[in-house]
Amino acid sequence: EPEVTQTPSHQVTQMGQEVILRCVPISNHLYFYWYRQILGQKVEFLVSFYNNEISEKSEIFDDQFSVERPDGSNFTLKIRSTKLEDSAMYFCASNQRNTEAFFGQGTRLTVV
Amino acid sequence: AQSVTQLGSHVSVSEGALVLLRCNYSSSVPPYLFWYVQYPNQGLQLLLKYTTGATLVKGINGFEAEFKKSETSFHLTKPSAHMSDAAEYFCAVSANNNDMRFGAGTRLTVKP
Repeated sequence: EPEVTQTPSHQVTQMGQEVILRCVPISNHLYFYWYRQILGQKVEFLVSFYNNEISEKSEIFDDQFSVERPDGSNFTLKIRSTKLEDSAMYFCASNQRNTEAFFGQGTRLTVV
Repeated sequence: AQSVTQLGSHVSVSEGALVLLRCNYSSSVPPYLFWYVQYPNQGLQLLLKYTTGATLVKGINGFEAEFKKSETSFHLTKPSAHMSDAAEYFCAVSANNNDMRFGAGTRLTVKP
């Protein structure tokens, strides 16, 4: 069964460093998303991506964040100058139009 | 923009009792509605979804939900709780823009 895969499963970084979280969406999906879940809190929408551009982003997704689809398979989230409060579980998801989103297992980012 | 409200951040039931997790949505266009389950240290797994058609939808693990437009609700139920149902449950809504928005989540505890 096709699935969304995310790497790494756990990333530890020092405050101020840049991190890149990687995702491989399901191959025939067209819409890609990043969500964030701070420990014990709700799943928060960060950004959606379609046709090689951002289609919508939340207020959380400021200039510190960027997304890219560098090739036909990967979808990355870059976080520049990480802060302690960026520590969270980051989920990638993908879907086709008007269908449910399939989620990866997440990357746990710990900023120290 | 669409949004979801989940009433009750924590629900506790006895094994064998009815499970009722509440979800109300707000959407300016006909919504697509979803329930996801998250087991500890895992990603989000789709339980069930409503897109169009029959308003009572059945999902995995014996769960079902009913879309009630007049009440803007999509409550999740299960007739008889099992210990393995203990998890975090998220209601989500998406509209034509395909961006899925989640509720704050409800933690279900099942007592023996």
